[in-house]
Amino acid sequence: GAGVSQTPSNKVTEKGKYVELRCDPISGHTALYWYRQSLGQGPEFLIYFQGTGAADDSGLPNDRFFAVRPEGSVSTLKIQRTERGDSAVYLCASSIDSYNTEAFFGQGTRLTVV
Amino acid sequence: AQTVTQSQPEMSVQEAETVTLSCTYDTSESDYYLFWYKQPPSRQMILVIRQEAYKQQNATENRFSVNFQKAAKSFSLKISDSQLGDAAMYFCAYRRNSGSRLTFGEGTQLTVNP
Repeated sequence: GAGVSQTPSNKVTEKGKYVELRCDPISGHTALYWYRQSLGQGPEFLIYFQGTGAADDSGLPNDRFFAVRPEGSVSTLKIQRTERGDSAVYLCASSIDSYNTEAFFGQGTRLTVV
Repeated sequence: AQTVTQSQPEMSVQEAETVTLSCTYDTSESDYYLFWYKQPPSRQMILVIRQEAYKQQNATENRFSVNFQKAAKSFSLKISDSQLGDAAMYFCAYRRNSGSRLTFGEGTQLTVNP
């Protein structure tokens, strides 16, 4: 696609439920990043993929969070047993490779846990 | 760990005037990149300007320029001839040369008054 696409745009879920957030990067981009942006804050790094493998997952806050990128393109961020503190905008970005400094961002998924 | 600080939560400027947004950072690295991103209400992060730490010359992109003071670890953004479309949240960000993740500041909300 022309840009990074994230779906859904907004997601409301009940506390304790499981959610999946999808990111479709720019075609041909091998590097993919997930960030979490809480209200009034800057984005915080969660995980980075180079190809199919997670090259750095040190930003994942706990084991309820998991992300996959099985074919090196689309990525899914999975959150189990959601908590109200998980409410945030989840941003995805991609770049041609991990050496290229220009990352292109999607419009994010706003997750609200009620 | 690297940190990025933006001490101005909000700034305002008259249309056609000039405004400067401040950013300081802390790192023990000698080689890195600095960025300014714009985030309008659509939530999509848009790269405004980028500076390589090894370059002494300040980066310029049309009406946007930076004042990079490496010794002081300061990286301010100057917007000249401000336009209504410049109104947005602006984030300063840091990336190590050998790394891939971006570390963001807290952001500055810029208002442009007609």
